[in-house]
Amino acid sequence: KAGVTQTPRYLIKTRGQQVTLSCSPISGHRSVSWYQQTPGQGLQFLFEYFSETQRNKGNFPGRFSGRQFSNSRSEMNVSTLELGDSALYLCASSPTVKETQYFGPGTRLLVL
Amino acid sequence: AQTVTQSQPEMSVQEAETVTLSCTYDTSESDYYLFWYKQPPSRQMILVIRQEAYKQQNATENRFSVNFQKAAKSFSLKISDSQLGDAAMYFCASANYGGSQGNLIFGKGTKLSVKP
Repeated sequence: KAGVTQTPRYLIKTRGQQVTLSCSPISGHRSVSWYQQTPGQGLQFLFEYFSETQRNKGNFPGRFSGRQFSNSRSEMNVSTLELGDSALYLCASSPTVKETQYFGPGTRLLVL
Repeated sequence: AQTVTQSQPEMSVQEAETVTLSCTYDTSESDYYLFWYKQPPSRQMILVIRQEAYKQQNATENRFSVNFQKAAKSFSLKISDSQLGDAAMYFCASANYGGSQGNLIFGKGTKLSVKP
């Protein structure tokens, strides 16, 4: 079974731009979560989606948003990029909520 | 609030030796799971082992085992017969499954080096 895939793998943007990251979960998995990893803050939870509904959201500003499609694929969007948004964004999927999460390879975002 | 603490920023082990990584956590929930994830230089987060809090028996996966001390809220990872491929960042994480949230809370990580 194929693992979690994330596209793109690398991205360079400038301040003020917006970006959309994509995540395809493991086949049959309906829950998708997003995490941000930075050297200073470590791994932080962004949001969780299940059956196209956002179940939980971490402590991030409204510039961070996401959605999930009927095929369980998920996207996250960051508007008005700031330098501090430079990070590795990790997507994880699980069969349903409250189950072990399996991670994708991540998208490295660099904001200049 | 749920917290996970890894007090060892870096550890080193000789190939074929055994090493133990420490983790403590704090939660008021009764239904929770604990995990160790490995992140090699590729940055891919890989599940190493998981422990259900309601199980008294310590989880084991091949060379990896945990020492789960529920009363002390301690969850250490033991790696036996260390291999060069074990070199990575190791993250301890917890997830509360009793409430509405099931997201992972991570520690800051321990960087493990394996010397040949």
